[in-house]
Amino acid sequence: KNQVEQSPQSLIILEGKNCTLQCNYTVSPFSNLRWYKQDTGRGPVSLTIMTFSENTKSNGRYTATLDADTKQSSLHITASQLSDSASYICVVSTITGNQFYFGTGTSLTVIP
Amino acid sequence: GAGVSQSPRYKVAKRGQDVALRCDPISGHVSLFWYQQALGQGPEFLTYFQNEAQLDKSGLPSDRFFAERPEGSVSTLKIQRTQQEDSAVYLCASSHVRSDLLSSNTEAFFGQGTRLTVV
Repeated sequence: KNQVEQSPQSLIILEGKNCTLQCNYTVSPFSNLRWYKQDTGRGPVSLTIMTFSENTKSNGRYTATLDADTKQSSLHITASQLSDSASYICVVSTITGNQFYFGTGTSLTVIP
Repeated sequence: GAGVSQSPRYKVAKRGQDVALRCDPISGHVSLFWYQQALGQGPEFLTYFQNEAQLDKSGLPSDRFFAERPEGSVSTLKIQRTQQEDSAVYLCASSHVRSDLLSSNTEAFFGQGTRLTVV
């Protein structure tokens, strides 16, 4: 069964600190993996997209890694800001499928 | 518009009422997806259109759910005889390529969603 699991479910960190979010997936055949940021009451906004041949990709303070062998990905946020408070969702696509497989997300709260 | 637009943003329906949710994708986008997101959960796939063709409707939870995209642009998700378990945010996404050609450089854009509450 195609599944995407994320951890932790929720996370509270102090402003300025770094954090790392985890994503494990069983989706096959794998095409690409995306990390989305979803603010409360808003639609998801893409942060990074990676194929199996890409090990790391950065977007400002966000850095995603991918290990296609172990089917794991991480999203590292550097020097967190209050505006980083949101839900971060890992999304995996298949080569043949017409849909994205979403994780349940990690709810990040950055406090002053 | 510049992005995917969904309307209404909020909808309250009495149980048993029919509702219609609208999605205006980005102009020219071939692929259109509908997702259902329950509170505190990740979005769950409902259906996929390539232009006007509904190629995958495997995620529709029951025959009360119906989606269409008659001219390959605007799409409508209709829910008949709504029930409380239908309460969720319904997200629409579009992409300028076919789903089977989605590559690392292809973006899928999401609308803000319609929050449906069935009372």
